[in-house]
Amino acid sequence: DQQVKQNSPSLSVQEGRISILNCDYTNSMFDYFLWYKKYPAEGPTFLISISSIKDKNEDGRFTVFLNKSAKHLSLHIVPSQPGDSAVYFCAASASGNTGKLIFGQGTTLQVKP
Amino acid sequence: DTEVTQTPKHLVMGMTNKKSLKCEQHMGHRAMYWYKQKAKKPPELMFVYSYEKLSINESVPSRFSPECPNSSLLNLHLHALQPEDSALYLCASSQYRDYEQYFGPGTRLTVT
Repeated sequence: DQQVKQNSPSLSVQEGRISILNCDYTNSMFDYFLWYKKYPAEGPTFLISISSIKDKNEDGRFTVFLNKSAKHLSLHIVPSQPGDSAVYFCAASASGNTGKLIFGQGTTLQVKP
Repeated sequence: DTEVTQTPKHLVMGMTNKKSLKCEQHMGHRAMYWYKQKAKKPPELMFVYSYEKLSINESVPSRFSPECPNSSLLNLHLHALQPEDSALYLCASSQYRDYEQYFGPGTRLTVT
């Protein structure tokens, strides 16, 4: 049972354009969501998070949107840069102070110069 | 500084060997984690330590034995592993549980 889903295994965009990565979840108990970026042979790097009390969080070129009714979140990267090429993981957790993160399968983003 | 360090970077071990993976953070984080990641798969949680006490064990086989000697260090002791245990082992830490987790670079483990 996959509680966090990233249905697009890959995405290719042109440098300077917007990248939109999508994530869906099924567990209504999830109330904290995170995005991580991962380069090959490295650990995931934390990018941005959002709590369920918000519907948008912005940090520089990265914005995360949360639609609780649709159980959907997305990560927008504007403008996209070649260095953004990596695997992006969406993750979710339920409050209760467990620290347990459930990850999606990841989306490979390629930004072409 | 959001650095989590892990040693060794690579480890090859036989099925009868005993080895340990080490993880260290100096961010004052009180929660630390072990994850396992297979190729083209997301990280899977193995253990959670909070305030140096084991709080979550995700039904991990006993051939994996975690240890938290102090608030900065986390070890994973390995014994009698199987070839299917070959994977990238990631350590992470967070200020407290339910906060964003910061990952180390991982240890690439190969069991022969």
